[in-house]
Amino acid sequence: ILNVEQSPQSLHVQEGDSTNFTCSFPSSNFYALHWYRWETAKSPEALFVMTLNGDEKKKGRISATLNTKEGYSYLYIKGSQPEDSATYLCAGNTGGFKTIFGAGTRLFVKA
Amino acid sequence: DSGVTQTPKHLITATGQRVTLRCSPRSGDLSVYWYQQSLDQGLQFLIQYYNGEERAKGNILERFSAQQFPDLHSELNLSSLELGDSALYFCASSGDRGGNTIYFGEGSWLTVV
Repeated sequence: ILNVEQSPQSLHVQEGDSTNFTCSFPSSNFYALHWYRWETAKSPEALFVMTLNGDEKKKGRISATLNTKEGYSYLYIKGSQPEDSATYLCAGNTGGFKTIFGAGTRLFVKA
Repeated sequence: DSGVTQTPKHLITATGQRVTLRCSPRSGDLSVYWYQQSLDQGLQFLIQYYNGEERAKGNILERFSAQQFPDLHSELNLSSLELGDSALYFCASSGDRGGNTIYFGEGSWLTVV
């Protein structure tokens, strides 16, 4: 069973702070790791999909890294802005067909 | 716009009733996923279809069923509805079994009264 865990559950930062979240997943039978940004009342929006150990992806001020051997991924936000406030979801896929989401990290950025 | 279309957007129905939620995936996507988001819960995986065949099952109740049709659209059928079934149901699609980006529809809000 694929169990994806995210920490912290929520995070409050000031505008301009840099922050990071963790996603943990079983390293056996790993296939892909997804990160999504989910704003209230909207549907989740894809940020990154990573498949290879050591993968690093970047999109503007947001970046992510992947360690498949130890089963974790980090999402970094540099210079947080109020518009970054959202829930950040990671999802793991073990090469079957299930993509299982973690509970998310809720980010609040105060101006 | 993700390209994934879900209908209806909102639905209010009574306990014991049956509803059908419909999803059209992005053009060319073969995989369709259904997820449930209840109050204060994360996204719970229900079921996935790939090119018309069921490929993975999550925490889907026996009262719920789904199918993917030859034109690749999918329907999620919810029967004998209970108050606890009130939730936001998302459909998503991707081009393959999970290594490509998964695109979400806007969801169908179901309220059971």
